Amino acid sequence: QVQLQESGPGLVKPSETLSLTCSVSTASFSNYYWSWIRQSPGKGLEWIGYIYYTGSTKFNPSLRSRVTISLHTSKNQFSLKLNSVTAADTAIYYCARGVDYFDASGYPSPLFDYWGQGTLVTVSS
Amino acid sequence: QSVLTQPPSASGTPGQRVSISCSGSTSNIGSNIVNWYQQFPGTAPKLLMYGNYKRPSGVPDRISGSKSGTSASLAISGLQSEDEADYYCAAWDDSLNAYVFGTGTKVTVL
Repeated sequence: QVQLQESGPGLVKPSETLSLTCSVSTASFSNYYWSWIRQSPGKGLEWIGYIYYTGSTKFNPSLRSRVTISLHTSKNQFSLKLNSVTAADTAIYYCARGVDYFDASGYPSPLFDYWGQGTLVTVSS
Repeated sequence: QSVLTQPPSASGTPGQRVSISCSGSTSNIGSNIVNWYQQFPGTAPKLLMYGNYKRPSGVPDRISGSKSGTSASLAISGLQSEDEADYYCAAWDDSLNAYVFGTGTKVTVL
């Protein structure tokens, strides 16, 4: 059983940088995608991006220019930075573990099997 | 706005069967496997179905998934009060090069 826990400021001012850390209970980061997903109040889920254990990253095109995801394996953590935030970035931010599922053709697709409890970040002055 | 479309709500009485649709396109559902997530109010989403129709350990077999072309569906048979939650489909989108979630469906047990 893998446990993930988000931490970071719950209030960020407009135009500043949102910074969150996800602490992971396992010491094994290999073969997984370490991901961030958010949910605006009363709305649906939005994938932000992930970092593979090799360090390669992928981001949602709508957020790519503002997002950084980093891995800190020695601390069993990974982090999210989202710069130039606006009120539209107010959301519950979840960290999650992703893993590839291979279909009948051997083509991989990610799924997210363990999630943190989420942390609400409000953007307001 | 999401590229995967779900009905905003679905409902049924205890014991009934409820089905939730998820409509996409050739670049997402048509090309990749579909996963489903269940979310109770105030809690994180939980993986409910993966690989179109496979259930993680602990998910009852009265919950099933299917996929045909560019659409997928989740069915809950023998509806119970504990099934009242929000349900999201999801898939990788090859055109967007992004993981996309559906708009979500709130299931209510009447």
